[in-house]
Formats: sequence, C-alpha cells, structure tokens
Amino acid sequence: DIQMTQSPSSLSASVGDRVTITCRASQSISAYLNWYQQKPGRAPKLLIYTATSLQSGVPSRFSGSASGTDFTLTISSLQPEDFATYYCQQSDSAPFTFGGGTKVEIK
Amino acid sequence: QVQLVESGGGVVQPGRSLRLSCEASGFTFSSFAMHWVRQAPGKGLEWVAGLSYHGSDKFYADSVKGRFTMSRDNSKNTVSLQMNSLRVEDTAVYYCAKDPSRLVEYGFLESWGQGTLVAVSS
Repeated sequence: DIQMTQSPSSLSASVGDRVTITCRASQSISAYLNWYQQKPGRAPKLLIYTATSLQSGVPSRFSGSASGTDFTLTISSLQPEDFATYYCQQSDSAPFTFGGGTKVEIK
Repeated sequence: QVQLVESGGGVVQPGRSLRLSCEASGFTFSSFAMHWVRQAPGKGLEWVAGLSYHGSDKFYADSVKGRFTMSRDNSKNTVSLQMNSLRVEDTAVYYCAKDPSRLVEYGFLESWGQGTLVAVSS
C-alpha cells in the first residue's frame, strides 16, 4: 500500500500569513494527489485535485504543486475561515490512502 | 445540487453486523463511482471502499477486506455498505462520497454526505 506522510501535523499561524503543508508519497503516484479541508463537526471539502487543479468555488489563495513524490498545498494569505484540518489523499492505486492531517490553528 | 444522505448508523456489539445506506440526489447517480470514508473519534480520515458506476469494480481497505461489502442500486440512487464481524476499531463516522469519474481509480471525492456514526461496543 502507498503511504502518505503529511507534515507538519499542526501549525500556528496568523491571518495574512503564507502557509505551506507538505505530503510525501512512499512511491510514485503521478499527479493523483488531492487535498481536502475539514472543519470540526463537518464533512471534508475538496480543495485541490490531481495535484494542482482548483476545485470550483474554492478561493484562489489555495494552490497545489508537485515535485516527484512531494506535494505541497499553499495558502497564500491565511483567512479566518481557513483555520481547519487539511488532508492529502492519493488516488493512484487502491487503497486510496490519506495523509495523517495538518491542523492549522490561530497564533 | 448534489445531496448525499447517509443512514443506518447506531450502536452495535462486536461481532455483529450493520448495513449503512447512502441516498443520492441532484445528479445522474448511475454515471459515477462512489466511495465510503470513515473517521474514528478524534482521528484522521480513512478511505474504506470504492465502487465503479456499474458496480462491477470494487476496492477495499485492507482493514475491512473480507468483512465489508459495498454495493449499489442504480434504480434507487442508493449505495450501501454491509459491515459484518464488526470490531471496536470500526467505531467511526462513516461518510459516503461522490467521485466525478465512472471508475474508482484516479478519481477524487468531490461531494460528501454529512456522515453517520457507527459505535461498536459491548
């Protein structure tokens, strides 16, 4: 099975900060990497699919990039509504594993 | 708009069975793959199972393989998860999710239900 290692597991940031979250796959997954946002008590929400494509309706401050087996989610200017937990997920081969999550908290 | 409504959760003893259902609306259900994802209390997301649009291709997480069976009824816009031999570690909120593709591979989870809680306890 493909392992997804996400870092950091948590971070503290201020409104307006640039935030970067990384996900590393244990083997090649091409660009089949997706990012989700989850707020407490809510279902996850798709942000980015196939590494770099922004889901419809998601603000442009969210972006994704890829380099080999390393993938990055960037929030260019953190907004109050962005405080949440973020997960990566590979969809290259079953089982379609998630990373452990990154909790973004208010500094 | 896409709506996914899960049902069937509850409290069940270890070793017993439970069947979850997810009713879909707002899209042509028979044209898209579907998935189940779960989240144990205070933990991260775990992909559980995926099923192609026609129901022929099924994939499962190692943790549930041989115990859980995913199926769909395209005439009723419903996807189900039959869970047998339940264990305490199966306790979680179970979400169904829609894939924008017909097949399970290479897709992603573009729409989610609100989830149903399964608690396995003696």
